[in-house]
Amino acid sequence: GNSVTQMEGPVTLSEEAFLTINCTYTATGYPSLFWYVQYPGEGLQLLLKATKADDKGSNKGFEATYRKETTSFHLEKGSVQVSDSAVYFCALHDSGGYQKVTFGTGTKLQVIP
Amino acid sequence: NAGVMQNPRHLVRRRGQEARLRCSPMKGHSHVYWYRQLPEEGLKFMVYLQKENIIDESGMPKERFSAEFPKEGPSILRIQQVVRGDSAAYFCASSPPGTTPPYEQYFGPGTRLTVT
Repeated sequence: GNSVTQMEGPVTLSEEAFLTINCTYTATGYPSLFWYVQYPGEGLQLLLKATKADDKGSNKGFEATYRKETTSFHLEKGSVQVSDSAVYFCALHDSGGYQKVTFGTGTKLQVIP
Repeated sequence: NAGVMQNPRHLVRRRGQEARLRCSPMKGHSHVYWYRQLPEEGLKFMVYLQKENIIDESGMPKERFSAEFPKEGPSILRIQQVVRGDSAAYFCASSPPGTTPPYEQYFGPGTRLTVT
C-alpha cells in the first residue's frame, strides 16, 4: 500500500533560519504530492502541490520538488518566520482515480524569535 | 464562498453515549472524507462518501462507527457507545466532482471529541 514518511519533530529554528522537512513516499503508479499545514487549533490548509515528476510546488516562500528517482518531496523555506510555527503534513493522492489521501505523521515546527 | 463547515467544534461525551459529528462540504462539492487525528499523530483516513453512497470505508472501525451523506443535509459521522480511546480530532474534507487529478481536498476546522 501507499505510505508517507516524514522526519520526526519537533524542529526548532531561529527566525530567518533555513528550513528543510524531509518527506519520502511509497506508492504504485504516479501519485500527486502535497504539503498541508495545520496551525494550532485549526484544520489543515493546503500549502503547495505537485502533480508529476520534476514539478516544483511553491507558496508563501515554501517550495518542494517532486523527485521520482528518490521518491521524495522535501519542503524548504529560505528564511522562516515565527508565524510559520505549525505542524506540516506531507501527503499523497493516489493516481488510480480514487481520491484517497495518505498522510505522513506530521512534523511540528517551532520558530523562535 | 464558505469553506467546509463542521459542528460542533468541541464535543464532550461520557463513556457509553453517542457522538454525532456533522460536516457540510463546500458549495458544489459532492465528495466527503472523514479523517481521525489522535493526539500527536497524523491523520488517518476513515471513510469516503459521495451523495447517498459510501465509496470506501476501509478506515472505519468495524463496530460502533458509521457515516452517511444523505441527498439533503450534511454528512454525519456517528459513534455509538463511545470509549475513551475515541477521544480525538475528527476532520472532514470535501472535493468537487471531476475525473481529472489531483483531487484537491479542502478541510474543515475539525471536531474535537473528548470522552470522559
